[in-house]
Amino acid sequence: GDSVTQMEGPVTLSEEAFLTINCTYTATGYPSLFWYVQYPGEGLQLLLKATKADDKGSNKGFEATYRKETTSFHLEKGSVQVSDSAVYFCALRISNDYKLSFGAGTTVTVRA
Amino acid sequence: SQTIHQWPATLVQPVGSPLSLECTVEGTSNPNLYWYRQAAGRGLQLLFYSVGIGQISSEVPQNLSASRPQDRQFILSSKKLLLSDSGFYLCAWSVRGGGSNSPLHFGNGTRLTVT
Repeated sequence: GDSVTQMEGPVTLSEEAFLTINCTYTATGYPSLFWYVQYPGEGLQLLLKATKADDKGSNKGFEATYRKETTSFHLEKGSVQVSDSAVYFCALRISNDYKLSFGAGTTVTVRA
Repeated sequence: SQTIHQWPATLVQPVGSPLSLECTVEGTSNPNLYWYRQAAGRGLQLLFYSVGIGQISSEVPQNLSASRPQDRQFILSSKKLLLSDSGFYLCAWSVRGGGSNSPLHFGNGTRLTVT
């Protein structure tokens, strides 16, 4: 079945460090890929998305590129801030399927 | 703009008591609606989704049920709560017919503690 695998956390970084969260997927067909962010005590917010191979999604300094050849969608940010502390979820959605399939989430803590 | 409301934000219920969580969406028509659960330290599990009034699909058999009495209203219920029902419940919507590139938009969630 369709699934998403994320790197396990927690990840702890210092401010201005480089962040990478790995995400790989298994899917029948050609999925759209998403990154969501969940701040403490809140729901999920869409961070970025990519809908076809080689697309790059970007938002708030975060980027992720849809790599079909490696079935990956790694999230990166060049210089993190304390306010980036959150749980990050990679997700996929395939055509003709209503649901979004999520990875397990990666907790990121940024220290001042 | 579209908004999604969930309530209550937090809830503490004894084992065996009933449950009703409500979710409404504004600013859009005919949305797909979803209930997800996030157990402590775990990922998101899809519980139910709906593509129209009265149309409910269940992903995981359990003692929860869902109903969609109106186009933009989605209710999660239980007749008797179990300890294992504790978790963070998230309602979401997406555009009907939006295709695979249409994201889900989430509410702020309900933190349920069963004691």
